[in-house]
Amino acid sequence: DSGVTQTPKHLITATGQRVTLRCSPRSGDLSVYWYQQSLDQGLQFLIHYYNGEERAKGNILERFSAQQFPDLHSELNLSSLELGDSALYFCASSGVGGSYNEQFFGPGTRLTVL
Amino acid sequence: GQQLNQSPQSMFIQEGEDVSMNCTSSSIFNTWLWYKQEPGEGPVLLIALYKAGELTSNGRLTAQFGITRKDSFLNISASIPSDVGIYFCAGQQGGTSYGKLTFGQGTILTVHP
Repeated sequence: DSGVTQTPKHLITATGQRVTLRCSPRSGDLSVYWYQQSLDQGLQFLIHYYNGEERAKGNILERFSAQQFPDLHSELNLSSLELGDSALYFCASSGVGGSYNEQFFGPGTRLTVL
Repeated sequence: GQQLNQSPQSMFIQEGEDVSMNCTSSSIFNTWLWYKQEPGEGPVLLIALYKAGELTSNGRLTAQFGITRKDSFLNISASIPSDVGIYFCAGQQGGTSYGKLTFGQGTILTVHP
């Protein structure tokens, strides 16, 4: 158990809909990262938040947005969903009890868009 | 975008054999990480490397940060059935990309008892 929690575990929705994925980092970690894992693209970095502020963006679509709240949990919002958005979405955190560079991943949310 | 070339793509080995896999890039990385992922779970951090030439062990696992800073290697000695999974290398460049991990495509390891 990495200490990172993600909800929900599975999410099935329809095209055009909007969903919110939630992540709680390890206790004390200030950084939260979001990644997308798909068969064709592999694991891709989406966005990094540190203590509530956006620090880096990857190839994140404009339809996707994220935020980190004062209690350090983070949410990834996906809107106008398309079939191609079906993937595993992972949250990771870093900062406590190790190098800042060491990211610990949650169990993921499997999103299926029908 | 940035790519890490990881090889081999898959390995089928007998229990007790040693395993080697590597990751190469055309760009320099400041940190190399190795992860293992099992079905239905998130990647689990195995080893982190911070200096060129560094050799680090974690039980039967040994990883090295390449001298050129463009590659890394992972060895697993005396494999056992629970080593089955997908192994990913990941690199971190720093600068404006600080925090971003770039992943390899993964090596699927199958261990036959």
